[in-house]
Amino acid sequence: EAGVAQSPRYKIIEKRQSVAFWCNPISGHATLYWYQQILGQGPKLLIQFQNNGVVDDSQLPKDRFSAERLKGVDSTLKIQPAKLEDSAVYLCASSLLARSYNEQFFGPGTRLTVL
Amino acid sequence: GENVEQHPSTLSVQEGDSAVIKCTYSDSASNYFPWYKQELGKGPQLIIDIRSNVGEKKDQRIAVTLNKTAKHFSLHITETQPEDSAVYFCAASPAAGNKLTFGGGTRVLVKP
Repeated sequence: EAGVAQSPRYKIIEKRQSVAFWCNPISGHATLYWYQQILGQGPKLLIQFQNNGVVDDSQLPKDRFSAERLKGVDSTLKIQPAKLEDSAVYLCASSLLARSYNEQFFGPGTRLTVL
Repeated sequence: GENVEQHPSTLSVQEGDSAVIKCTYSDSASNYFPWYKQELGKGPQLIIDIRSNVGEKKDQRIAVTLNKTAKHFSLHITETQPEDSAVYFCAASPAAGNKLTFGGGTRVLVKP
């Protein structure tokens, strides 16, 4: 079974530029998550989708971050404009359902460096 | 919201010894507590989990314990091996929504 795919794996940009990350979840998984993992910290949930609807985006900085999952499968996370403090690994995860006890499977992440 | 504290932040053990990582959580509504292992350049991978109606769970060399009254849970790794070297994260999730709140992580180094 193929895992969660993410691209690109690495991205370096200047502050105030924009950037987009792509995620393809495990086939059949209805729930998709984006996490931000700052170096030396645990992942922090940014947004959770159930199919193509948003379940939780309470920690998403909506003035600069946006995410979509138009067809309920793959997803894109965008940052515009980027700040230095956005340097982090952006992890995508998926689970079969949004109910508790459902294992979340993580992709390898995209490492973003903002200069 | 939920807050998860994890200790220690780093742990160095001799191969064959045991390692223990402890976490506390704040939200009494949390009822699912997974543990993830993250190797360099990879995403976290679930290694074991425990539900609130269970006090202890074991899987080969790994065990987790949960004390709901005290709101803390622990990971125990016995007979550590070099391949156990990684960063370990605890997490907590409420009954609905499957939202995970992670601890800050523990970097475990197993010395041969």
